[in-house]
Formats: sequence, structure tokens, C-alpha cells
Amino acid sequence: AQKVTQAQTEISVVEKEDVTLDCVYETRDTTYYLFWYKQPPSGELVFLIRRNSFDEQNEISGRYSWNFQKSTSSFNFTITASQVVDSAVYFCALRGVTGGGNKLTFGTGTQLKVEL
Amino acid sequence: ETGVTQTPRHLVMGMTNKKSLKCEQHLGHNAMYWYKQSAKKPLELMFVYSLEERVENNSVPSRFSPECPNSSHLFLHLHTLQPEDSALYLCASSRLAGEYQETQYFGPGTRLLVL
Repeated sequence: AQKVTQAQTEISVVEKEDVTLDCVYETRDTTYYLFWYKQPPSGELVFLIRRNSFDEQNEISGRYSWNFQKSTSSFNFTITASQVVDSAVYFCALRGVTGGGNKLTFGTGTQLKVEL
Repeated sequence: ETGVTQTPRHLVMGMTNKKSLKCEQHLGHNAMYWYKQSAKKPLELMFVYSLEERVENNSVPSRFSPECPNSSHLFLHLHTLQPEDSALYLCASSRLAGEYQETQYFGPGTRLLVL
């Protein structure tokens, strides 16, 4: 069975602060994929990143960075110098490759509010 | 970029109405999905179509009836819904890589209110 836990239900920060969104996952698969999606108030889930289980290299894309640590089964997402436009719900998701491997298991999401 | 579009964006219907949600993907994908997103609940996968065949039906009530006439279009036919069916319905698509799905891309959703 797969599980994704996003323990932070809601985070509020002031603009320009750095913020880290936590994601912890469980899977029995040795090969799996991790994702982050952003859902602004408009509703659409916007794909941000995908990592496979064999690639633990951290990634940076502009103000976004991701820290993948297999040892702690975590895939955390950091936004540097947050902006009001970053306000959204962020979902972490996991897809394994065995059994029902085509299923994308989502966490419950973290609501990020960035205020002026 | 609007790779996956959904219409209508908002829908209000009575419990005796019949309506349909439409999803279209312009990404050349060959798998499509319906998800339900209710307040304070994780996204729930409803249906999966792979190469136009339904490969998954997650115990969804029969009042929801999907249709996938081709790899670019997906419908969700609704009839005699209940107020608890009010939710955001999201469509997604992905490419098949062998027997596995690649990254799913989502549409903007249809916000449904059942009165």
C-alpha cells in the first residue's frame, strides 16, 4: 500500500520569507516516482516536479528547490523568498510501479498563504 | 498553456437532472483520468482510461458514468446525483510508457454543486 503524508495543513508566511513544505511517503516498491503539484484558487493542479527513486540529487528551479531523502522517506519542497503568487495548495504525490502501480497517491495537501 | 481543458467550469444541478462533464487533452496522451476533490479530503481517483479502455473504476456509484470515445476526449455523465456529490471534478491525462503511466497533467476542473 502507498501512503503520502503532508502533516502541515496550513502555513502562513510573510512575503520574502523562505518556507518548506514537508512530504513523507510510504511504499514497498523499490522503484517509484514522487511528484509535487500546485493548486491555485482557480482549481487546476499544476505539475511542478517529478523525481524517480534512483535519483536522490536535489533539484533547484528558480525559487523552488526539492530535497529528496530516501533514508527518511521524505521529499520536501522549499520556496525561497516567497511571493503572494505562491499562495496555493501544494500536493505531494507518489506512484509506484508494481501491482496497482499506475495509481497516483496524493497527500492531503498543504495550504500556503503568503501575505504582504 | 491549456493542455487539458474541461467544460463547463461551473455547474449547478438538481438531483433529478442529467448533465455531462467534458474533458479534452491536446497533449497527444493516451490515458485519461477522472478525479473527485471534496473539501478537506484527498483527491479520489474515480476512473482511468488507457488506450480508450476503462482500466479502473474505484467503486464509483453508477450515477457517474464515464465515456472515452477517443484518446483526446473524456466525458463524465451525471444523473440523479446527491448533494454529497458536490465537489471539484478534475480530469487528467498522461502518456503510456510501456505499461506504466507517466506524469499526469490536470485540467482546471469543473466545480459541481448539487442542490
